[in-house]
Amino acid sequence: QSALTQPASVSGSPGQSVTISCTGTSNDIGGHNYVSWFQQHPGKAPKLMIYAVSNRPSGVSNRFSASKSGNTASLTISGLQAEDEADYYCSSYTSSNTLDVVFGGGTKLTVL
Amino acid sequence: QVQLVESGGGVVQPGRSLRLSCAASGFTFSSYAMHWVRQAPGKGLKWVAIIWHDGSNKFYADSVKGRFTISRDNSKNTLYLQMNSLRAEDTAVYFCARDLDYLPNDIWGQGTLVTVSS
Repeated sequence: QSALTQPASVSGSPGQSVTISCTGTSNDIGGHNYVSWFQQHPGKAPKLMIYAVSNRPSGVSNRFSASKSGNTASLTISGLQAEDEADYYCSSYTSSNTLDVVFGGGTKLTVL
Repeated sequence: QVQLVESGGGVVQPGRSLRLSCAASGFTFSSYAMHWVRQAPGKGLKWVAIIWHDGSNKFYADSVKGRFTISRDNSKNTLYLQMNSLRAEDTAVYFCARDLDYLPNDIWGQGTLVTVSS
């Protein structure tokens, strides 16, 4: 049950864009089209930002976009705003001989 | 409104047991698989378990397999996590979450804190 690999931190100035990567294997991210991204502010529950690789739930800003290439998924936040400062987690699953949901280690986004 | 509310957390000694509950409202609970996810203080999210909408299948993280049991009562719109043989490393905020395509989705509870300490 290896976690997905994310950078520990990223940063950007207001108005800029940042991209957070999430690297897995052919057994999880590379094996299907089910990757989710969550935003979490301190002391709060995670909030779904992206599901099924690139789909935004209703109410999530279109400044958030995502994609996948091979075993790596990416979340891009454009037009950075102060309220985007938070922890971001990717998630996927493996289903080789059992179902195992895995999260990335989390990326702290700092808006400078 | 659509919501999940966890309860049952607290301070428990190592080796003891605790049962968490997650009460669902505002949606057809019996139509959805459900997850438990935990977060140790200052750490990242870790998946714990999933149960199918009808309770027919259950899967667990290796770290809790054999000690934790996920269950549900669709007549009460409630999800449970029975935690036995608790260890210090089980200390975390435990969240329940609704499923979509085998992953936690858009509805999460506020979390309940479990502290395992002597």
